[in-house]
Amino acid sequence: QSALTQPPSASGSPGQSVTISCTGTSSDVGGYNYVSWYQQHPGKAPKLMIYEVSKRPSGVPDRFSGSKSGNTASLTVSGLQAEDEADYYCSSYAGRNYWVFGGGTKFTVL
Amino acid sequence: QVQLVQSGSELKKPGASVKISCKASGNTFTSYAMNWVRQAPGQGLEWMGWINTNTGNPTYAQGFTGRFVFSLDTSVSTAYLQISSLKAEDTAVYYCATPPPDASLVQGFDYWGQGALVTVSS
Repeated sequence: QSALTQPPSASGSPGQSVTISCTGTSSDVGGYNYVSWYQQHPGKAPKLMIYEVSKRPSGVPDRFSGSKSGNTASLTVSGLQAEDEADYYCSSYAGRNYWVFGGGTKFTVL
Repeated sequence: QVQLVQSGSELKKPGASVKISCKASGNTFTSYAMNWVRQAPGQGLEWMGWINTNTGNPTYAQGFTGRFVFSLDTSVSTAYLQISSLKAEDTAVYYCATPPPDASLVQGFDYWGQGALVTVSS
């Protein structure tokens, strides 16, 4: 199971929208609608932001949205706020009760 | 409210073993699917595997077989990660994480422990 591919960094200005990609294969991202996204602030545990490609857990702002096309999933953050600055990780179910994470994207709010 | 509380930081010498605990509360222990995730300093998240709290059956990711063992003590609602023959490269924060109670494993990890730092150094 190889790690999913994410851009190492991304940035945007307050109020803007930014999209982070997550590329896998037909054995993970492309094969299942079970992509999750996690936000991690320095020194904190990750927080689930999106599950099953586009669903938001209770309490996650609707500024966060997810989508998928083929072997690539995307997380879009709209109306950027300072507190959105964090590391973001995608994760995909890879069959037979296995999961795989992406390498992570360091997101900066300019 | 589901809570996962992990044991504290550990400093170990190369070749030693360590056992990290993750105590769950807020729901029946067997309703959780307990996963383990590693994060080396300055690095990303790595899924290590999971243990079925109903059957005790563990599943290990590639790269986490042999020296890594998941176990349970259902009497105290606690999952354990034991690492043997520690190496410097095992230095990391280890998290336990689970989907919501009784949810499918595919729903992602909604609840996380606070992390346990293991430092391996002579």
